[in-house]
Amino acid sequence: QVQLQQSGAELVKPGSSVKISCKASGYTFTSYDMHWIKQQPGNGLEWIGWIYPGNGNTKYNQKFNGKATLTADKSSSTAYMQLSSLTSEDSAVYFCARFFPDYGYNPYWYFDFWGPGTMVTVSS
Amino acid sequence: DIVMTQSPTSMSISVGDRVTMNCKASQNVGSNVDWYQQKTGQSPKLLIYKASNRYTGVPDRFTGSGSGTDFTFTISNMQAEDLAVYYCMQSNSYPYTFGAGTKLELK
Repeated sequence: QVQLQQSGAELVKPGSSVKISCKASGYTFTSYDMHWIKQQPGNGLEWIGWIYPGNGNTKYNQKFNGKATLTADKSSSTAYMQLSSLTSEDSAVYFCARFFPDYGYNPYWYFDFWGPGTMVTVSS
Repeated sequence: DIVMTQSPTSMSISVGDRVTMNCKASQNVGSNVDWYQQKTGQSPKLLIYKASNRYTGVPDRFTGSGSGTDFTFTISNMQAEDLAVYYCMQSNSYPYTFGAGTKLELK
């Protein structure tokens, strides 16, 4: 069965960086895009970007250029997101989610499995 | 960026009610809209994809419709376990964007 296991909560200082992980199991990790989504406390959802683990290609929401860096380790089926120059605005829960294709008449992709989320708290 | 405007922000409902919520896109997104359910402390779960397709295992009381800029999500016979926040999301163009959510609460 498909599972996405995310790393534990992080308490980090302003100005620092943090790297969170999303370990995939139950499917071929290199065959599907992995997306990352941000959710600030009490707020809605914000799309950060994706990585295709098969070749390392990435696509970012321009808002997160320079803030988020997506990588993937094929050997451990783990996707990573590094957040840099952290401020209080980066305090949030971060989800990874698999982007799955429906190869119908008009192919379509959707988020079928989500990780449980990693809470990042930025505080001095 | 495409803005997805959800309405209403919240609804007070009773078990058995028919619940309808809306999502309006700031520009044409075709049928590239999904609906997600998020319960407190959990990650979102896909209910409807491509505007009107029910995801595997989703009860048929959940339906979606619409295209272009106007989308509707309906729960035909509200159950207690449906209490959650519901989000629409467009994947027509980057950056993908979500609505602010509609929260369902018990009356």
